[in-house]
Amino acid sequence: AQSVTQLDSQVPVFEEAPVELRCNYSSSVSVYLFWYVQYPNQGLQLLLKYLSGSTLVKGINGFEAEFNKSQTSFHLRKPSVHISDTAEYFCAVSAVNAGNMLTFGGGTRLMVKP
Amino acid sequence: EAGVAQSPRYKIIEKRQSVAFWCNPISGHATLYWYQQILGQGPKLLIQFQNNGVVDDSQLPKDRFSAERLKGVDSTLKIQPAKLEDSAVYLCASGTGPNQPQHFGDGTRLSIL
Repeated sequence: AQSVTQLDSQVPVFEEAPVELRCNYSSSVSVYLFWYVQYPNQGLQLLLKYLSGSTLVKGINGFEAEFNKSQTSFHLRKPSVHISDTAEYFCAVSAVNAGNMLTFGGGTRLMVKP
Repeated sequence: EAGVAQSPRYKIIEKRQSVAFWCNPISGHATLYWYQQILGQGPKLLIQFQNNGVVDDSQLPKDRFSAERLKGVDSTLKIQPAKLEDSAVYLCASGTGPNQPQHFGDGTRLSIL
């Protein structure tokens, strides 16, 4: 079984500042990794995914994440945030060859202040 | 392309009543998922379908929850009878297969009084 820990439940940051949202996972098998964003009263939208290859993954809206196998982490970063980035962010994992069943972390609320 | 459609968007019922949610996935998506998202938590997978067959329902409380996917397209999730702890957003997602991203609907927010 897999588990995901998002270390920060809330991250306040000023507009145009950089941000990092932390994600650690636990699994006894190889995994795929994902970051999703959820705006209020909406479903989840995929930001980026790591399946294989380069450990630095670039996604939509200027976000990127780096897979670190030794530290079992997949932290999400953005060099300069906007007010519109205010949302809930979820890290998720799925075991390779397990039918794409996702296990989500508890979420991190990013609050961008003017 | 049209996204995943869910209805209703909101539902309020009393405990012990029954309720049903409907999901229409993106056309051509063989895989369909139902998730439960309790306030302040990440989504939890309830059931996964591949076409009209169940792939995994290990986290579905089968004494009160049921789901079906007729003809491998639309799906319904039912709760009977509802308990207070079932208050949550129920999300439907669809995908084309393993390693492919899941596309989520906007969810149904269920409140149990």
